[in-house]
Amino acid sequence: QSALTQPASVSASPGQSITISCTGISIASGDYNYVSWYQQHPGKAPKLMIYDVTNRPSGISSRFSGSKSGNTASLTISGLQSDDEANYYCTSYTGTNSVLFGGGTKLTVL
Amino acid sequence: QVQVVQSGAEVKKPGASVKVSCQASGHTFSTSAVNWVRQAPGQGLEWMGWITADNGDTNYAQEVRGRVTITTDTSMTTAYMELTSLRSDDTAVYYCATGRKIRWLEFWGQGTLVTVSS
Repeated sequence: QSALTQPASVSASPGQSITISCTGISIASGDYNYVSWYQQHPGKAPKLMIYDVTNRPSGISSRFSGSKSGNTASLTISGLQSDDEANYYCTSYTGTNSVLFGGGTKLTVL
Repeated sequence: QVQVVQSGAEVKKPGASVKVSCQASGHTFSTSAVNWVRQAPGQGLEWMGWITADNGDTNYAQEVRGRVTITTDTSMTTAYMELTSLRSDDTAVYYCATGRKIRWLEFWGQGTLVTVSS
């Protein structure tokens, strides 16, 4: 199965918006609509932020949003806050019923 | 509120096996699935496999297939991940995560550090 590629790092100042890309989502294998995003602070368990491309679990701020275009899914965080500084991982649920993680993106809030 | 609690840290020698448990309170796995994910020191997340608690179906990542077994108990409140023939590169924090659908890792355990060292 294909790998999911994320930028290693992104950075922005408080109040700004950032977008993290996740490339390699396969349309043909049927996992196109099964993209999730996880936030992980150092030393903590990951936290589900977006599921099925655009959906936010209960309790997740509307500042977090997901989208897709072509073979790329994206996570956008608006109104950056210091607590948003973390690692972010995309996943896809593939045609072989496996969960594939992207390599992760370190977000730095300047 | 769902809470997921994992067993404590383990230190194992190369070639040994480890079995990590994952217990959910306020939730049974009977209508959901349990995934296991690991994270080597300083590295990203790696999916290992899942089990559907209603019928015990499993699916394992190719990287660990043949060495990993995921099970649940009959009460469907505890899941287990056993990894055999341990190597030094199996040193990692192992997480369980459950959700209403296999692909939704909604509730995570706190992680279990497994150290493989001679």
